Amino acid sequence: DAGVIQSPRHEVTEMGQEVTLRCKPISGHDYLFWYRQTMMRGLELLIYFNNNVPIDDSGMPEDRFSAKMPNASFSTLKIQPSEPRDSAVYFCASSPGQGVAEAFFGQGTRLTVV
Amino acid sequence: AQSVTQLDSHVSVSEGTPVLLRCNYSSSYSPSLFWYVQHPNKGLQLLLKYTSAATLVKGINGFEAEFKKSETSFHLTKPSAHMSDAAEYFCVVSDRWDSSYKLIFGSGTRLLVRP
Repeated sequence: DAGVIQSPRHEVTEMGQEVTLRCKPISGHDYLFWYRQTMMRGLELLIYFNNNVPIDDSGMPEDRFSAKMPNASFSTLKIQPSEPRDSAVYFCASSPGQGVAEAFFGQGTRLTVV
Repeated sequence: AQSVTQLDSHVSVSEGTPVLLRCNYSSSYSPSLFWYVQHPNKGLQLLLKYTSAATLVKGINGFEAEFKKSETSFHLTKPSAHMSDAAEYFCVVSDRWDSSYKLIFGSGTRLLVRP
């Protein structure tokens, strides 16, 4: 398997623009996670899905952030409108669940909002 | 609520000397515990995991960790550091209840390896 695939790897956008980050989890995994990593706050869980259903979105910073998982092989994290403080590395991870507790991470998307 | 504390933000060792990265956890349930490693500008890679089997867990690249319930600790060790071990290391706790679970990350320990 190719692992968790995220796109794009790097994104530079202007403040106020819409940004969409994409993730393809490992086939057969039931859980999908979105994390954000910054120097100040470390790794934060934003939202996670189980079988395509959002279970906990308490980490989503505000209404400008939204995430969807329309099917088992694709998820998006959208920021609209983007702000400079959204600059971070965003990681997607997936997990088989079913007694397997660890998550497998993608390479991340480095977002810069100018 | 579950949490994890990494006691050192930076650890510096000489190549060939032992490595000790400390982690304490708090969990209301029987936890699963992990160590992940992140090399610069890379994603996170699983080093090892504890899931209520043997308390001494061996991972990749010569790392191991020991689960000590009485001390609520899960320290990561390696007998001899290599330059390629320089990276950031995260201790992670996972609690499972019902059909959901979360991975809670520590703040990370940056390992520096001196030649």
